[in-house]
Amino acid sequence: KQEVTQIPAALSVPEGENLVLNCSFTDSAIYNLQWFRQDPGKGLTSLLLIQSSQREQTSGRLNASLDKSSGRSTLYIAASQPGDSATYLCAVSPMNRDDKIIFGKGTRLHILP
Amino acid sequence: DAGVTQSPTHLIKTRGQQVTLRCSPKSGHDTVSWYQQALGQGPQFIFQYYEEEERQRGNFPDRFSGHQFPNYSSELNVNALLLGDSALYLCASSLGGSTEAFFGQGTRLTVV
Repeated sequence: KQEVTQIPAALSVPEGENLVLNCSFTDSAIYNLQWFRQDPGKGLTSLLLIQSSQREQTSGRLNASLDKSSGRSTLYIAASQPGDSATYLCAVSPMNRDDKIIFGKGTRLHILP
Repeated sequence: DAGVTQSPTHLIKTRGQQVTLRCSPKSGHDTVSWYQQALGQGPQFIFQYYEEEERQRGNFPDRFSGHQFPNYSSELNVNALLLGDSALYLCASSLGGSTEAFFGQGTRLTVV
């Protein structure tokens, strides 16, 4: 049974710092991994999608890496800004295309002005 | 492209009542999945619809049911509402079920 864990559960950092959010999963047979952003009470915004054959994806100040064999992914945020404050969720899609996406519980990020 | 749209955005119901939530997928997408997100938790998979049939179901009771229409839009129905059903209900659409999933803004259901 696939389990997704995100550490830390919450993080506060001063504006301008670079930071790393961690995601681990127990079953390496994944089809892809997505990082989402969620603002309080809102839906999910897809940030980055990494296919199982890829090692990383970049979008602006965001970089996500994937090490499938060790069951780990990281989301790197460069030069953090107060607008980056949100909950960041990691989700894995299984290799079995009929199976469901599994989410972690998220990391609540607060960027201090 | 309007993306994934859900209605209503907020809803308050009384215990024991029934509720219907609606979702229109992103243009070109044929698969709709529903998730329940309790406060402080990650989304939990309820079920997925493809070609108007339930293809996969999570660990939710039969009080949770759904439907997909020929235009790929979907409804989530919950009967005999319990206080514990209070949550954000998210709809996601994709093409074929396991490509990149796009989520709607959710429906906040409060059961009193």
